Amino acid sequence: DQQVKQNSPSLSVQEGRISILNCDYTNSMFDYFLWYKKYPAEGPTFLISISSIKDKNEDGRFTVFLNKSAKHLSLHIVPSQPGDSAVYFCAASRRVTYGGSQGNLIFGKGTKLSVKP
Amino acid sequence: EADIYQTPRYLVIGTGKKITLECSQTMGHDKMYWYQQDPGMELHLIHYSYGVNSTEKGDLSSESTVSRIRTEHFPLTLESARPSHTSQYLCASRTTGRSRTEAFFGQGTRLTVV
Repeated sequence: DQQVKQNSPSLSVQEGRISILNCDYTNSMFDYFLWYKKYPAEGPTFLISISSIKDKNEDGRFTVFLNKSAKHLSLHIVPSQPGDSAVYFCAASRRVTYGGSQGNLIFGKGTKLSVKP
Repeated sequence: EADIYQTPRYLVIGTGKKITLECSQTMGHDKMYWYQQDPGMELHLIHYSYGVNSTEKGDLSSESTVSRIRTEHFPLTLESARPSHTSQYLCASRTTGRSRTEAFFGQGTRLTVV
């Protein structure tokens, strides 16, 4: 059963507008969340993260919002640019303990974002 | 920029061949991971290591094996490649500590078994 879900396989937005990518999780023990961007035939690159003690984290054009009660997070990209076109993965992990697998990152299936000029 | 490297980037190989995918990082990270990813699917963890001489199987069963003899090196081996092994293989590393950190990924190896 998927613990991290990205229910929209694709999203298309116009350049300059806002892109909103959504992610839901089922494991209430997750307390650290990340967004990665991936181009075809490349490895994912880290974009932004958020700890469960926060509800918002901002870095330039990228803002991540966390709603713990709804087990939902979203990535906002404003303004969207054609270079943002890629697959975006949401990932989550539990508190790290020495040994064990709790700290491993669990990924969603990704959302393919297309930003049209 | 992340200092984690994977070779080869692309590999086409015949069924039954033995292959080793290389992964090295120069960041001194103790945790290293191998993920497998098919188009439109999530990254599935197949192996991880928390340090030298430590290796564990991940959530997705895999016929591959790994070793961690040196901190910086985490190779993945398939003794006998099959078409079902065709996929993208992604290596990552991460540091541990009290604060949370992201994982850094290599550029991946696209494996095709014919």
